[in-house]
Amino acid sequence: AQKITQTQPGMFVQEKEAVTLDCTYDTSDPSYGLFWYKQPSSGEMIFLIYQGSYDQQNATEGRYSLNFQKARKSANLVISASQLGDSAMYFCAMRSISNTGKLIFGQGTTLQVKP
Amino acid sequence: KAGVTQTPRYLIKTRGQQVTLSCSPISGHRSVSWYQQTPGQGLQFLFEYFSETQRNKGNFPGRFSGRQFSNSRSEMNVSTLELGDSALYLCASSLEAIPLGAEAFFGQGTRLTVV
Repeated sequence: AQKITQTQPGMFVQEKEAVTLDCTYDTSDPSYGLFWYKQPSSGEMIFLIYQGSYDQQNATEGRYSLNFQKARKSANLVISASQLGDSAMYFCAMRSISNTGKLIFGQGTTLQVKP
Repeated sequence: KAGVTQTPRYLIKTRGQQVTLSCSPISGHRSVSWYQQTPGQGLQFLFEYFSETQRNKGNFPGRFSGRQFSNSRSEMNVSTLELGDSALYLCASSLEAIPLGAEAFFGQGTRLTVV
């Protein structure tokens, strides 16, 4: 079975500091993609970053980077220089080659940035 | 470029009634998928439509149904509403579900409350 696990229900970080949000996954498919989404209180899911299972380098998008460790089946999101606007719910998600129309989500991590 | 539009944003229905939610994808996107988000179950996949055909289906009872029109707009219907159907329903559109990295763009969701 395919599964995403986020073990941190809530996290606090001081403004301007970096924070790592954990994500582990389980799939038997050889080809898959991993996503991180941000969900502010408005409800909309905002795409942050994508990592393909065959990508050799870790993905980066501005202040976001994905620490991909394939052997450990982990895909942690690193946010550098946290801003107050980063306070939101963060979801890790996976899409696999056997089920490309479906995103499987973790339970999410609520991040609060303190001034 | 207009984003994914979901209507209505909020709905209050009575148990036993039925409801129809609408999703207009980004222009040119042919894949539309639906997700249910609740505090207890998190984000769960309902179904995915591509070119008017249901391509994937999640583990929901037959009371949940959907369709996609030739202009890619999609509707989902829930019949005989139950209290447990209260949730945020999110729609996502993408150009193609393949390749794996096709970004899914989400709407702001429809918040359904069943009383």
